[in-house]
Amino acid sequence: KQEVTQIPAALSVPEGENLVLNCSFTDSAIYNLQWFRQDPGKGLTSLLLIQSSQREQTSGRLNASLDKSSGRSTLYIAASQPGDSATYLCAAYPGTYKYIFGTGTRLKVLA
Amino acid sequence: GAVVSQHPSRVICKSGTSVKIECRSLDFQATTMFWYRQFPKQSLMLMATSNEGSKATYEQGVEKDKFLINHASLTLSTLTVTSAHPEDSSFYICSAPSGTSGTNEQFFGPGTRLTVL
Repeated sequence: KQEVTQIPAALSVPEGENLVLNCSFTDSAIYNLQWFRQDPGKGLTSLLLIQSSQREQTSGRLNASLDKSSGRSTLYIAASQPGDSATYLCAAYPGTYKYIFGTGTRLKVLA
Repeated sequence: GAVVSQHPSRVICKSGTSVKIECRSLDFQATTMFWYRQFPKQSLMLMATSNEGSKATYEQGVEKDKFLINHASLTLSTLTVTSAHPEDSSFYICSAPSGTSGTNEQFFGPGTRLTVL
């Protein structure tokens, strides 16, 4: 059974810091891995999707990597800003119908 | 990216009433849509898979008679919470994969906040 864990559960950093969010999954047989952002009381915004054949994806200040063999993905945020404050969720897609979501990391960037 | 909408965004109802939530794919067709439930400060839990033209598939522990799902067309799925009780208060989110990207990337609606008094 696929399980997805995110560490840390919460993170508070000063503005301008580079930071890394971690996502671990127990079953390496995934089709893709997707990172989302969720603002309080809102839905999910897709940030990056990494297919199983890829190692990383980049979008602006965000970079996500995938290491299937070790069951890990990281989301790197460069030069963090207060507007980056949100909950970040990763989700593993095993190739069937169901996405398995991680527990989330609540990020707060202090001005 | 593809756009998924939900209506209403927020609903407050009395205990015992039924509430219908709509999920629409605005610029693509979706033969499959997913309904999730999210409790405060927790992650998303898949409730059911909505299939156009056939019955929904429910996850273990989800009462199909309480959470009625109808996938009326290739762009619309509805979730009806029947005889709602305070414990049904939650954030409900739908998603749909956009097959055009070839990656099964999921696009999520903005969510519906249900409060049952």
